[in-house]
Amino acid sequence: NAGVMQNPRHLVRRRGQEARLRCSPMKGHSHVYWYRQLPEEGLKFMVYLQKENIIDESGMPKERFSAEFPKEGPSILRIQQVVRGDSAAYFCASSPQKDRAVEQYFGPGTRLTVT
Amino acid sequence: TQLLEQSPQFLSIQEGENLTVYCNSSSVFSSLQWYRQEPGEGPVLLVTVVTGGEVKKLKRLTFQFGDARKDSSLHITAAQPGDTGLYLCAPISGSARQLTFGSGTQLTVLP
Repeated sequence: NAGVMQNPRHLVRRRGQEARLRCSPMKGHSHVYWYRQLPEEGLKFMVYLQKENIIDESGMPKERFSAEFPKEGPSILRIQQVVRGDSAAYFCASSPQKDRAVEQYFGPGTRLTVT
Repeated sequence: TQLLEQSPQFLSIQEGENLTVYCNSSSVFSSLQWYRQEPGEGPVLLVTVVTGGEVKKLKRLTFQFGDARKDSSLHITAAQPGDTGLYLCAPISGSARQLTFGSGTQLTVLP
């Protein structure tokens, strides 16, 4: 069984560009979570999605960040007009059931560097 | 506001030594998870503890959930270089959807 897949593993963007991070959940999982790990900080929740639906985006910055999980294809975390402070590791986790904090499987992450 | 603290923040020891790391909170939780994160990778679940006072063993790792379900500890016996990593605790409230992580203990085991 393939685990959670994220790509790219490393992404370099200049200030003002857009970053698109992709997450393919484990087979059979229809729930996706995005977390951000800033340097010297812990993992922080950003957004929780089901297919075609955002369930909880309480951790998402109000501007420039958006997420989607279409019916077909991976979940996408999109950051517009990136700034240096967006440099971080972004992790995706998937779960087979709704509202199951105890059953999340993490991907290897995408390391975003903004120059 | 829930206060969650992991200690120590950094720990560097020699191979073969024993160590304990802690996860403390001001809140009561229904369960708690421990993860290990290696450089360049995502967190990997080690254990979930559910019952107050529960002790779980995973080879050389012993996890304990406090009686009041506010704190937890992880004890490693005869540490090995392969134990090196960031150890994260994630206490879970009953209705929580997402995980809330502590800032972690960065463990380095020197050969």
